[in-house]
Amino acid sequence: QKEVEQNSGPLSVPEGAIASLNCTYSDRGSQSFFWYRQYSGKSPELIMSIYSNGDKEDGRFTAQLNKASQYVSLLIRDSQPSDSATYLCAVGYTGGFKTIFGAGTRLFVKA
Amino acid sequence: EPEVTQTPSHQVTQMGQEVILRCVPISNHLYFYWYRQILGQKVEFLVSFYNNEISEKSEIFDDQFSVERPDGSNFTLKIRSTKLEDSAMYFCAKSGGGDSSGANVLTFGAGSRLTVL
Repeated sequence: QKEVEQNSGPLSVPEGAIASLNCTYSDRGSQSFFWYRQYSGKSPELIMSIYSNGDKEDGRFTAQLNKASQYVSLLIRDSQPSDSATYLCAVGYTGGFKTIFGAGTRLFVKA
Repeated sequence: EPEVTQTPSHQVTQMGQEVILRCVPISNHLYFYWYRQILGQKVEFLVSFYNNEISEKSEIFDDQFSVERPDGSNFTLKIRSTKLEDSAMYFCAKSGGGDSSGANVLTFGAGSRLTVL
């Protein structure tokens, strides 16, 4: 059974701070890793994808992957109130079509 | 214009009735998916559909569910004899495919909220 675990939060940070979101996954065969953002009542939207160990930066977002530890993280720099949402960690598998989602971490950015 | 359009946005039905949810991907992708999200819970994979065939399905996707692409554009999820626990948001999604670049990157529709009474 492939599992993706996240701390449900809520994580509360002040505006301008760094928000750090973490995720672990159970299957060492996992090949692709994603962070999606979901606003309340809306569909998930892709924030970052990462496929190899290390860091990947895109604007204020940095995804970090450590396959040995089966750990994925997302850093949000200069957090804004508009970043307040649920962040979903998701894991995909080469040769398969299924993406497994974690339960999400709720982030609140206080103005 | 959204890349994936879903209809209806909200459907209320009586337990035991059949429901059809529709998805229209704007671009000509080959990979389509249905996911569901029960209120307050995680997004769950139901089924993937590739080249007009089911490629993978979850244990949730039992005989009560079916998918098809009847006219080459619309992609439908049919739920036969709905149950109370089928109440959820159902998301259609598409992806660029299973290769290493952009593998499994999902673009979701806005969702269809199903309420079973």
